[in-house]
Order: sequence, then C-alpha cells, then structure tokens
Amino acid sequence: GAGVSQSPSNKVTEKGKDVELRCDPISGHTALYWYRQSLGQGLEFLIYFQGNSAPDKSGLPSDRFSAERTGGSVSTLTIQRTQQEDSAVYLCASSALFSGANVLTFGAGSRLTVL
Amino acid sequence: DQQVKQNSPSLSVQEGRISILNCDYTNSMFDYFLWYKKYPAEGPTFLISISSIKDKNEDGRFTVFLNKSAKHLSLHIVPSQPGDSAVYFCAAKSTGANNLFFGTGTRLTVIP
Repeated sequence: GAGVSQSPSNKVTEKGKDVELRCDPISGHTALYWYRQSLGQGLEFLIYFQGNSAPDKSGLPSDRFSAERTGGSVSTLTIQRTQQEDSAVYLCASSALFSGANVLTFGAGSRLTVL
Repeated sequence: DQQVKQNSPSLSVQEGRISILNCDYTNSMFDYFLWYKKYPAEGPTFLISISSIKDKNEDGRFTVFLNKSAKHLSLHIVPSQPGDSAVYFCAAKSTGANNLFFGTGTRLTVIP
C-alpha cells in the first residue's frame, strides 16, 4: 500500500497475556521505528531498524518488550506478560532519507488496552 | 527527562487569525527540528521542518522559527482555518542519531 499499515488497530488484553503488534512499512523505506504514546504523554521512542544493521533497542522500557523485522520489511513488536502500564497507542513509522534528515511517515497506530 | 517540551497543552484561535505554537528543547546537540500534525485516530503527519543553520522556514500558511540561543522554536499558522484543528507535535533530532524526540503535543482548535 501507499502508507504505513498497522494491525490490529485496537487490542484489548488481560494482564499477563502476550501481545503482538504488526507493522507494514512503506515499500522501499529502509528505516523503521516503533514509538508509543501513553495518555497525556509525548511520543516515546522504543526501537529503530535500519537496513541490515543491528537495531537500536535503547528505548525499549523492559525486557518484556522485543521487536523483529523480517526481510527488511514487516516488523512485529511483542510485549510479553502485559501490564496495565503498557496501555498506550503503539505507532510504527518508516522513513527514507530526506535532506540529510529522516522524515518519518507514521501508521495510524495500534491502541493497546491492558485490563 | 523530557528533552522537547510543549508547555501549552491546548490553544484556541478564531478562524483567520494567527496560531502560534511553541516548543522548547534542552539538548544543544539537536540540529534538526520538525513539526507533525495529528488528527484523531490517525498517525502524525509531517508538516514542516527546519535545520539549525536557518532561523526561519516557510511553507504556505506555515512558518517555523528557530531561536537557537533560546533553544526555542515556534510554528505560526496564518490565516488559521478550521481544518487546522489537530494536535501538533514538535520533534527534534541530532545528526547521526536514530530517533526523533517528541514533545507532548498542543491541541489546536480553530473556531469558525
């Protein structure tokens, strides 16, 4: 498709369950980012993939969070043993180089609610 | 530690008037700044950017001003239109860094 696609758009889960969130970036974009936005907060960086390089995982809040990107395209963010504080909108973005800096194109997000 | 701050959570402006959204940052290594606009149930979309070598960048009704000494930037929208009603995020990055740092956003409401 023309944009960044994320699924599911909404996910309600029980505390302690694992969840997987999927992102399809724009074709040809080499960089892929995951951010999350908790209620009343700004966008918080989670992880960054660039081509075949090792991902920058510096933003992952705990070892319950992991992400992978298969074949340089689709990415999956996995949250194990979900907690209520994991409730947020998880946003994926992809980018191509533009004027020496990256302009991110975001998906619509996956809203996660942990009960 | 919030490196990019938007201290006004909301702003209301009459249609046709100027909207001024403000953003402050603390990291002097930031050298590229962006504004994103977000409608409900959609992801943020890129609006306008500015490099630290400039102090102003204009695109139609949108102008971003950068004051490096004050570590402050602002987005001016003139004239404001009802369709501009959205949440505006300020973002910043430094050369070589992988991620953008975002502010908490300002909800702009343009009153017809």
